[in-house]
Amino acid sequence: EAGVAQSPRYKIIEKRQSVAFWCNPISGHATLYWYQQILGQGPKLLIQFQNNGVVDDSQLPKDRFSAERLKGVDSTLKIQPAKLEDSAVYLCASRLTGRGEQYFGPGTRLTVT
Amino acid sequence: TQLLEQSPQFLSIQEGENLTVYCNSSSVFSSLQWYRQEPGEGPVLLVTVVTGGEVKKLKRLTFQFGDARKDSSLHITAAQPGDTGLYLCAGFPTSGTYKYIFGTGTRLKVLA
Repeated sequence: EAGVAQSPRYKIIEKRQSVAFWCNPISGHATLYWYQQILGQGPKLLIQFQNNGVVDDSQLPKDRFSAERLKGVDSTLKIQPAKLEDSAVYLCASRLTGRGEQYFGPGTRLTVT
Repeated sequence: TQLLEQSPQFLSIQEGENLTVYCNSSSVFSSLQWYRQEPGEGPVLLVTVVTGGEVKKLKRLTFQFGDARKDSSLHITAAQPGDTGLYLCAGFPTSGTYKYIFGTGTRLKVLA
């Protein structure tokens, strides 16, 4: 079974530029998460989708971050404009409904200069 | 605020030593997961514990869920350099906002 796919793996941009990340969850997983992880800390939830609907985006900085999951499968997370403090690893995870376990992609390491 | 506190926060040990990582909360959890994350990778699921008092073994790793389902521990026997990484507990509390919560993390380094 293929795991969660993410791209790109690394991205370096200047502040005020825009960036987008892509995630393809495990087939059949209705729940998809985007997390931000600062070095050495646990993941911080940005947004949770159930199929193509948003379940929780309470910690998403909506003035600059946006995410969509149009067909209930792939998802994109966008930052516009980026700030220095957005430098982090962005993780995508998916979960089978009714189970607690989440399966993570390898993450995208973003560096904002 | 529902929290999962992990201890210790950092641990550096010699190869062959034993160690225990703790994950504690004041909330009851329907299940708890343990993940290990290596540098440059996403967290990898190690185990899920569901029943209070449950003990699960994964080679040299032993996981225990507290009787009241508020805490868990991870014990590693004869640690190896390959065990190095960030260990995270996580789960859904049974009350409150029903959000998936991650622990504060334990960074383990095993020296050869």
